[in-house]
Amino acid sequence: GQQVMQIPQYQHVQEGEDFTTYCNSSTTLSNIQWYKQRPGGHPVFLIQLVKSGEVKKQKRLTFQFGEAKKNSSLHITATQTTDVGTYFCAGPNSGGYNKLIFGAGTRLAVHP
Amino acid sequence: GAGVSQSPSNKVTEKGKDVELRCDPISGHTALYWYRQSLGQGLEFLIYFQGNSAPDKSGLPSDRFSAERTGGSVSTLTIQRTQQEDSAVYLCASSLGASYTFGSGTRLTVV
Repeated sequence: GQQVMQIPQYQHVQEGEDFTTYCNSSTTLSNIQWYKQRPGGHPVFLIQLVKSGEVKKQKRLTFQFGEAKKNSSLHITATQTTDVGTYFCAGPNSGGYNKLIFGAGTRLAVHP
Repeated sequence: GAGVSQSPSNKVTEKGKDVELRCDPISGHTALYWYRQSLGQGLEFLIYFQGNSAPDKSGLPSDRFSAERTGGSVSTLTIQRTQQEDSAVYLCASSLGASYTFGSGTRLTVV
């Protein structure tokens, strides 16, 4: 079945260091979404990428969608303690519905 | 309401008992989803409602799980004869377009 894979599962960085998480889909995606879940919280939508090769920025966060629309990345520049949480990528089910298939997430720990 | 509301926020139940979890989506959102998240794990799809269409139940792990959505709004997820492996956070989300808005979840503990 369709799979969305994320690496790494876990990363801890010193505050100020950069961080990147990678997402790979077994199928071509019409779009990819990123969510952030703070410890003890629920996933919150960050962004959606639709176009092949698209790059979007939100302050220190840079999101990329691969040319083949099967992979994506989230890069955080100069991490802060407020970036702590789990970052999930998700792509729509290939069956044509809006059901999202989520990656397992990358848990980010930031040490001050 | 302003967001997706789930109740109860926490539920402790004895093994073998039935539980009902409620989700009140954002008004006007036509799609409603249930996911399950075990401790430290990702989001496991359970069921999806879209308007008046038949729900996509392909993620329900067993016939002990069922869900309904009344009037295209509130949804109830029912787990019968709960087992310890059902312990998890049950997340509901609604959407109008592509992105989801999640509720705060119900943490279910089966003892």
